[in-house]
Amino acid sequence: QQQVKQSPQSLIVQKGGISIINCAYENTAFDYFPWYQQFPGKGPALLIAIRPDVSEKKEGRFTISFNKSAKQFSLHIMDSQPGDSATYFCAASKAGRRALTFGSGTRLQVQP
Amino acid sequence: DVKVTQSSRYLVKRTGEKVFLECVQDMDHENMFWYRQDPGLGLRLIYFSYDVKMKEKGDIPEGYSVSREKKERFSLILESASTNQTSMYLCASSFARDLPRGGYTFGSGTRLTVV
Repeated sequence: QQQVKQSPQSLIVQKGGISIINCAYENTAFDYFPWYQQFPGKGPALLIAIRPDVSEKKEGRFTISFNKSAKQFSLHIMDSQPGDSATYFCAASKAGRRALTFGSGTRLQVQP
Repeated sequence: DVKVTQSSRYLVKRTGEKVFLECVQDMDHENMFWYRQDPGLGLRLIYFSYDVKMKEKGDIPEGYSVSREKKERFSLILESASTNQTSMYLCASSFARDLPRGGYTFGSGTRLTVV
C-alpha cells in the first residue's frame, strides 16, 4: 500500500506549456516533501523541496504547491522545455525516520 | 564532485545464486540506502543504514540482507536470487542532519536480471 500516491503516470506537454504532477499522502506525520528528477540512465536528483509550514515554494521554473488540509502537493513546471523530459518522483519523510517514501513516478515528455 | 558509485551497471544472475550489489560513497555520509525501482511502483525502500554496522528494514526487506562494515560502503545481498528480484537497484546516501535540507545523493543504479 503506497503511502504517497502520485499522478499521472505519464504526461505529454508541448514546449512552453505548464506541466503539473500531483501527489497525495495520508500520514500526517510527514513533514518534508521533496521532488526528484531522473534522466534515463541516471539516478534521481533532488529538484526542489518544501516543508508544510509554507504553501508554495518556487525555484526558477519549478514550483511546489502544498495544501496541508487536503494532504496534497504538486509540482508545476512553467514554460516546459524538451530538456525537462524525465521521470519525476514526489517523496515524503517524517521526523525521526531518515528514509524517504517515494511516489510511483511520472514520466514527462515535452514535445518540441 | 560528490559521488555514489555502484559497482555494476548491469548484472545477469541465475535463479538461486547469491548476489552482491556494492555501493561506495565518498562524501562521509552517515546514512546509506538501498531502493529498488520498478515501473509503476516507483522507488521502494529495501534497507537503510544510519551508521557502521547499523541497519533498519525498509518496506520490502524480504529476500534481502545488507552489510555495512565501513562508513563508505553499503552492500545489498540477495541470499537466493529469484526472478521477481529482477529490477533496477539504486543506492543513495545522505548526511544524517541534512535529510530535511539536502536530500539524497543517488548512484546511477544497477540493473539486475535474474534468469
